[in-house]
Amino acid sequence: DAGITQSPRHKVTETGTPVTLRCHQTENHRYMYWYRQDPGHGLRLIHYSYGVKDTDKGEVSDGYSVSRSKTEDFLLTLESATSSQTSVYFCATGDRNQPQHFGDGTRLSIL
Amino acid sequence: AQTVTQSQPEMSVQEAETVTLSCTYDTSESNYYLFWYKQPPSRQMILVIRQEAYKQQNATENRFSVNFQKAAKSFSLKISDSQLGDTAMYFCAFMKPQRGSGTYKYIFGTGTRLKVLA
Repeated sequence: DAGITQSPRHKVTETGTPVTLRCHQTENHRYMYWYRQDPGHGLRLIHYSYGVKDTDKGEVSDGYSVSRSKTEDFLLTLESATSSQTSVYFCATGDRNQPQHFGDGTRLSIL
Repeated sequence: AQTVTQSQPEMSVQEAETVTLSCTYDTSESNYYLFWYKQPPSRQMILVIRQEAYKQQNATENRFSVNFQKAAKSFSLKISDSQLGDTAMYFCAFMKPQRGSGTYKYIFGTGTRLKVLA
């Protein structure tokens, strides 16, 4: 939807390893977001970006970092993955007064 | 802080019947937007309907309509003539512009799982 590609779609990794999730958009939207979805919690904002190199924390940012070196790419990094970070991760884009468009999600399992 | 509450974790409805999903929110803002998103088993997040807070008229999209009560901070979704394809998780979301940074932040409810029965 809205030209948003998340990669990988699925990943299984071990505790303590670094993990990077990628979000790529083709719509030139200014705002990009990373959420995690867990049962009983809905979608919770991890980090967001309002321009190249402009990022800010969301409500569950501990243990995560992000980077945005180009308008179209927004990377989410787990420096040292923990089992509590097992989740489905969604990237979304948005623009002024517009609803968000979402990628198809990445299912991340940390063993 | 803004919050969004969906008090019905699960609901079911017979095919062709009407169902209403509730959503309440808390904010001191006057300028904001509200959305309903649908997430079918495919996991995609699909926009169902949007409402601007400054508009008194309730939004409608085909079989989907909202009952927006600004003073009560209520934003319910009505699905008429329910279809099997409506089976999904439904999320209510609140969005407002952030003063200063010019960014937009969204807050989602915990979702209502709707099952349409044949």
